[in-house]
Amino acid sequence: QPVLTQPPSASGTPGQRVSISCSASSSDIGTHTVNWYQHLPGTAPKLLIYSNNQRPSGVPDRFSGSKSGTSASLAISGLQSEDEADYYCAIWDDSLNDPWVFGGGTKLTVL
Amino acid sequence: EVQLVQSGAEVKKPGESLKISCEASGYTFPSYWIAWVRQMPGKGLECMGIIYPGDSETRYSPSFQGQVTMSADKSSSTAYLQWSSLKTSDTAMYFCAREGGRFWGQGTLVTVSS
Repeated sequence: QPVLTQPPSASGTPGQRVSISCSASSSDIGTHTVNWYQHLPGTAPKLLIYSNNQRPSGVPDRFSGSKSGTSASLAISGLQSEDEADYYCAIWDDSLNDPWVFGGGTKLTVL
Repeated sequence: EVQLVQSGAEVKKPGESLKISCEASGYTFPSYWIAWVRQMPGKGLECMGIIYPGDSETRYSPSFQGQVTMSADKSSSTAYLQWSSLKTSDTAMYFCAREGGRFWGQGTLVTVSS
């Protein structure tokens, strides 16, 4: 079962580009795709990126995802105050004993 | 439109039982896994397990095996998460989500306190 590691915090000023990393403990991530979620307190998490780099309809193109080897990244360009939230990477595989593994989450602060 | 609507907030005492629900609409309920996700106060998201309503196959994440029971009723398109004996450490927000997390319920806050 992969363990996904994210930095606990990140920050940026309005208009900046920020990147959040997600590192896997094993090469298992190479056979899985990574999703990213945005979570605002008191609300349901929102899918931002699926299959490493695909955006669901309605998600601004300021959000982008990538994956290389055992790491994935979420990039947010043109940072806005409403982007202040918690961000989680995750792998879904319903064949695993631990079918939905989340990273620890990154708290993004817009300064 | 796909919707997952969860039951309301609960306040319980340690040792009590509880069953919360997640009613799905707008898609073929039996055909997609439903996951239950816990968020303890100040902590991150944890998947407790998943259930396939088509045949009620369940996969419990190792940390939650034996602690909770997931079930699903195809006739009402509803998934359930239940506890037989709550602990104060079960205090958390609980979300249901359709496989992959494209669609989520609004969350059910469970508070366990004596």
